[in-house]
Amino acid sequence: DIQMTQSPSTLSASIGDRVTITCRASQSISDSLAWYQQKPGKAPKLLIYKASSLESGVPSRFSGSGSGSDFTLTISSLQPDDFATYHCQHYSSHSYTFGQGTKVEIK
Amino acid sequence: EVQLVESGGGLVQPGGSLRLSCAAAGFTFNTYDMHWVRQVKGKSLEWVSGIGTAGDTFYPDSVKGRFTISRENAKNSLFLQMNSLKAGDTAVYYCARGTYCSSDGCYTKGMSFDIWGRGTEVTVSA
Repeated sequence: DIQMTQSPSTLSASIGDRVTITCRASQSISDSLAWYQQKPGKAPKLLIYKASSLESGVPSRFSGSGSGSDFTLTISSLQPDDFATYHCQHYSSHSYTFGQGTKVEIK
Repeated sequence: EVQLVESGGGLVQPGGSLRLSCAAAGFTFNTYDMHWVRQVKGKSLEWVSGIGTAGDTFYPDSVKGRFTISRENAKNSLFLQMNSLKAGDTAVYYCARGTYCSSDGCYTKGMSFDIWGRGTEVTVSA
């Protein structure tokens, strides 16, 4: 099974900061990667699919990049609404795997 | 409005059974793969089952043989029958929408889940 490892586990940042979260796959997965945002007590929200495609309605300050085994989610200028936990997700052979999550906290 | 609403969660003893439901609205239910994803409090997400538009089903090893996913397209409903429940099954269970498939083919957002319900909580404890 392919394992997905996110880093860091927790990130402290200030409003306006550029934030980067990394997701590494245990083997090459092409562009089969999605990113979700989750706030406490709420369901996850799809942000990015196919590694770099922005979901409709998601602010353009969010972007995704990478292919193969290394991927990043970037928030170009952190806003108050962006403090949340971010999850990456991969699909392979009828199985879906999530990373362990990265919590973005206020510095 | 496109939405998914889960129900059926609750407290159940180890070894017991529970049936979760998910009511879909605002989209053509029978043209989408549907899934269940769970989350232990404070932990990450775990996919626990999926069902295609043709009724084909998929499970991870952790629940295979214990959980059964099904759908009733006429009622825009998704179900998860959970048997032989263990303490480790305690989690919030989310219903999520997957790939769109029509007679012209399938369109996928990279096999991601674009709509999620609010979840229903399952507690397995004596």
